[in-house]
Amino acid sequence: DAGVTQSPTHLIKTRGQQVTLRCSPKSGHDTVSWYQQALGQGPQFIFQYYEEEERQRGNFPDRFSGHQFPNYSSELNVNALLLGDSALYLCASSLEAETNSPLHFGNGTRLTVT
Amino acid sequence: GDSVTQMEGPVTLSEEAFLTINCTYTATGYPSLFWYVQYPGEGLQLLLKATKADDKGSNKGFEATYRKETTSFHLEKGSVQVSDSAVYFCALRNTGFQKLVFGTGTRLLVSP
Repeated sequence: DAGVTQSPTHLIKTRGQQVTLRCSPKSGHDTVSWYQQALGQGPQFIFQYYEEEERQRGNFPDRFSGHQFPNYSSELNVNALLLGDSALYLCASSLEAETNSPLHFGNGTRLTVT
Repeated sequence: GDSVTQMEGPVTLSEEAFLTINCTYTATGYPSLFWYVQYPGEGLQLLLKATKADDKGSNKGFEATYRKETTSFHLEKGSVQVSDSAVYFCALRNTGFQKLVFGTGTRLLVSP
C-alpha cells in the first residue's frame, strides 16, 4: 500500500523563477493538503484540495497556487520565487468521508531558492 | 486565532529516562489534538491523537491526555530509547476546519 509520494525530493531554483511540486496521495485518499515547513519551524498550512477545488487556504500570497487532478494527485505552483520561499514543502492526504481522518504526510520536497 | 505552544528544545535524555514534552493550545470550540513525530530526512508521522476532553491517546509507549481545563496535551513516555530521537510536533485541528495548526516542534535527543 503506497503512502504519500512527492516529487522531486530536492530542487534548487533562482529568485524570480517558477516551480511546480507534485504529490500523489495515499491509495484510497481523496483530499490533499499542502504545508510549508521553514527550517526549525512547524509546518504552516498553505491550502487544501478536494474534488479538484481549493477548499481552504492559509495565509499565503497568490503566488502560491495549486491544482488537483481527477486521480486525486495534486500540484503546488509557486511563481516569482523569493529567498524566503526556501523550505520543506509537505503534502498530506486524507479521506473526506472519515470523520477525524488523520493526515498522512509525504517525505516532502526540499526547495532552495538562491 | 488558533495556536499551539510547545516547550523549546532540545530535550536531552539518557536511555530509559522519563520523557515529558509540554504542549498547550489556544482555540475556540472543541479541537482535536495530535502529536506528530519527524525523523531526520522524513515527513511527519502521526504518533497519537485525542478528539475530546479527557481522552487519552497512546502509541508505542507514548501517551498524552486531552486536558480542557488546562488547555494542555503533554506528551509522556516512561522509558525512552535512542530510536526515539526525533522532532515532536503538537498540533490541533478545530471543528469544521481542515487545516492542522502546529507548534514549533521539540527536538528530543536520547543518548545510550
